[in-house]
Amino acid sequence: TQLLEQSPQFLSIQEGENLTVYCNSSSVFSSLQWYRQEPGEGPVLLVTVVTGGEVKKLKRLTFQFGDARKDSSLHITAAQPGDTGLYLCAGEGNQGGKLIFGQGTELSVKP
Amino acid sequence: EAGVTQSPTHLIKTRGQQATLRCSPISGHTSVYWYQQALGLGLQFLLWYDEGEERNRGNFPPRFSGRQFPNYSSELNVNALELEDSALYLCASSPRVRRNEQFFGPGTRLTVL
Repeated sequence: TQLLEQSPQFLSIQEGENLTVYCNSSSVFSSLQWYRQEPGEGPVLLVTVVTGGEVKKLKRLTFQFGDARKDSSLHITAAQPGDTGLYLCAGEGNQGGKLIFGQGTELSVKP
Repeated sequence: EAGVTQSPTHLIKTRGQQATLRCSPISGHTSVYWYQQALGLGLQFLLWYDEGEERNRGNFPPRFSGRQFPNYSSELNVNALELEDSALYLCASSPRVRRNEQFFGPGTRLTVL
């Protein structure tokens, strides 16, 4: 069974701090996606990482795919209150079409 | 470009009733996916439709069913509703060649009383 485990589950920080969210698995994924979801809304796709060791940057967000394609991380520099939300990692399962999601990291950035 | 749309936004039903949820994918996307997001359980894959055919289903009972229409829109039907079916139901779409990049709609909040 393919599983994705995220840590931490909850993170409450002050504006301006840095943070890292981890997404780990014992399975190899062909790609991993990161989504951000706000209450009552659907997840919004932030990035897809495909190549082992790949690093992608989206403004203050840095995404990395592990060399073995079993893990990924999301680093936020100088967090802002607008970064508050649920961050989800996801990978395509062995059976087509199905995305397997981590349980999510609930981030709260206080002004 | 319009995103994935879902209707209704909220739906309240009682146990034993049937619910029908609707989804329109992004223009040009042929694949539609349904997920359930129940409190404390995360996003669970329900169904995948492509070109009008059911391609894969998750570990849900047969009372969860759906279909995809020729215009690629989709319906999710839940029969004999149970209290634990209360959840946010999310629809996503993708191009056929990039199934891993799924774009989600705002969801339908189903409450079963």
